[in-house]
Amino acid sequence: NAGVMQNPRHLVRRRGQEARLRCSPMKGHSHVYWYRQLPEEGLKFMVYLQKENIIDESGMPKERFSAEFPKEGPSILRIQQVVRGDSAAYFCASSPSGRAGSYEQFFGPGTRLTVL
Amino acid sequence: GENVEQHPSTLSVQEGDSAVIKCTYSDSASNYFPWYKQELGKRPQLIIDIRSNVGEKKDQRIAVTLNKTAKHFSLHITETQPEDSAVYFCAAAGGTSYGKLTFGQGTILTVHP
Repeated sequence: NAGVMQNPRHLVRRRGQEARLRCSPMKGHSHVYWYRQLPEEGLKFMVYLQKENIIDESGMPKERFSAEFPKEGPSILRIQQVVRGDSAAYFCASSPSGRAGSYEQFFGPGTRLTVL
Repeated sequence: GENVEQHPSTLSVQEGDSAVIKCTYSDSASNYFPWYKQELGKRPQLIIDIRSNVGEKKDQRIAVTLNKTAKHFSLHITETQPEDSAVYFCAAAGGTSYGKLTFGQGTILTVHP
């Protein structure tokens, strides 16, 4: 049973370019969460999605960041016009349910974004 | 929204000693409290969790306690080993925040042989 998959594992972009990060949840999981971890800091929630729906995007920056989880395919976190401050590790987590009592989240290996 | 505070930020112990990490949370509606271990450059891994209907949970050398009245929970590691060295994060979820995890700032645990 494959775990949460993320790709690419490492991504280098120049300022102003776009970054696309992909996440495939564990089999049977329909809930996806994205977290950002700045160097030597904790994890900060960004967005929570179910298939074709954004449930909670309270942690997303207002501009340049967007996320989707289409009916088919992986969840994608998109960062437009990247800046150096976007350099971080982006982790995706999945869970089987968002209901009370079913919160176990399993993390992917992360994508380490470096903006030059 | 929820706010989670974690202490200490660094903890150094000798092999075989116990280690305790403490967290407090602000949202009384939170009802799920996991602990994650993260080694350098790796993903966070769930090591133990507790729900608000229990006060303590144990898994071999690891235990977690929860005091809902005081809104704090703690991780206890006994008989520490060098491979326990890592960053440990507490988190809280539930209530009005669905499954979203709010993390503490992390504790760097170093176990000296």
